[in-house]
Amino acid sequence: GENVEQHPSTLSVQEGDSAVIKCTYSDSASNYFPWYKQELGKRPQLIIDIRSNVGEKKDQRIAVTLNKTAKHFSLHITETQPEDSAVYFCAASPTGTASKLTFGTGTRLQVTL
Amino acid sequence: DGGITQSPKYLFRKEGQNVTLSCEQNLNHDAMYWYRQDPGQGLRLIYYSQIVNDFQKGDIAEGYSVSREKKESFPLTVTSAQKNPTAFYLCASTPNTGAYEQYFGPGTRLTVT
Repeated sequence: GENVEQHPSTLSVQEGDSAVIKCTYSDSASNYFPWYKQELGKRPQLIIDIRSNVGEKKDQRIAVTLNKTAKHFSLHITETQPEDSAVYFCAASPTGTASKLTFGTGTRLQVTL
Repeated sequence: DGGITQSPKYLFRKEGQNVTLSCEQNLNHDAMYWYRQDPGQGLRLIYYSQIVNDFQKGDIAEGYSVSREKKESFPLTVTSAQKNPTAFYLCASTPNTGAYEQYFGPGTRLTVT
């Protein structure tokens, strides 16, 4: 089955700096790659996603890049703010009908003042 | 936040007892999922259901059971066979089997002593 690795496990940046979180996946059939943000004690919420026919996608301060050849994708957050502090999860979903996601182990992002 | 509800928010049980976690959605979503979240391990899929009266095992189904008698409900039973049941349990749904974004419920934190 699919295996998703995520790095780093923790990341501390100063407010205004950029943050980058990287994930690799194993199943070349995966074609959907979402990123979720989870604040402490809350539910995960989708912040951005990308499909295999696209190399990059941006939404204001966040962007995701995908390299299908190397089987890795990354989340980029620019101009970080304290409210960006949370745990971020990447995931991958192979072709199929059930949207079966395999998640990475998460990155705890801390944005300091 | 509305659409998917899980109850209760916190649940305490003695070892050896079965316990059922509720998940209800009023989004008219076809597919529903149960995940377990442990510190440092991300979200792991327990069971999923694409349609009423049908469900499949996920990656860590041992010690758990589910039912899908109604489209809006997907309860999870944690049985006494689950060796380490203490965890945060998240339910999710997707609009149909072709869609990918998963909408999460608020979660239930189960503590077994």
